[in-house]
Amino acid sequence: AQTVTQSQPEMSVQEAETVTLSCTYDTSESDYYLFWYKQPPSRQMILVIRQEAYKQQNATENRFSVNFQKAAKSFSLKISDSQLGDAAMYFCAYRGTYNNNDMRFGAGTRLTVKP
Amino acid sequence: KAGVTQTPRYLIKTRGQQVTLSCSPISGHRSVSWYQQTPGQGLQFLFEYFSETQRNKGNFPGRFSGRQFSNSRSEMNVSTLELGDSALYLCASSLEPGLYIYEQYFGPGTRLTVT
Repeated sequence: AQTVTQSQPEMSVQEAETVTLSCTYDTSESDYYLFWYKQPPSRQMILVIRQEAYKQQNATENRFSVNFQKAAKSFSLKISDSQLGDAAMYFCAYRGTYNNNDMRFGAGTRLTVKP
Repeated sequence: KAGVTQTPRYLIKTRGQQVTLSCSPISGHRSVSWYQQTPGQGLQFLFEYFSETQRNKGNFPGRFSGRQFSNSRSEMNVSTLELGDSALYLCASSLEPGLYIYEQYFGPGTRLTVT
């Protein structure tokens, strides 16, 4: 079964600095999707970034970028120029491409941004 | 385009009762997934519906059930409530299960408290 591991329960970063959140996953599939979701204190889960496993190029969305290492099964999220609004729980998620594959989430990393 | 809506937002029930939660997906989205979020277990997949059919089911007892209507709106039902069912129940919608996209958009959740 696919599992997602986020080894950092909590992280903190100074405003305007850069922080990297770690995520590893276990799968035997070759084609799949990886996601980072953000859940602010208001509780609405928001998609931050998506990576298709068949793409070698790392996804980037403004200040958010990933370091996707397929062989190592690693999918870290880098947040540049951190802002106070980035404070939230961040969840790494995996979904395979075969039928009946549900979305698997990591336990989450709570990010604090210090002014 | 309106986002995913969930009703009610908050609910207090007594052990042994049953409850029905509702989810309206983003217009045009035909797939709806349900998740249970608790501090101890994190985000756990309940089930996924597409075109009124359950495509996938997580590891939850039969007290948890769901359905999807022809307009893609979905409901989940929990019968014989237990204290451990207290959680945030999240609904997420996506265009449809396919090989190219698995992005899910989440609703704000329903906070269920069982006393």
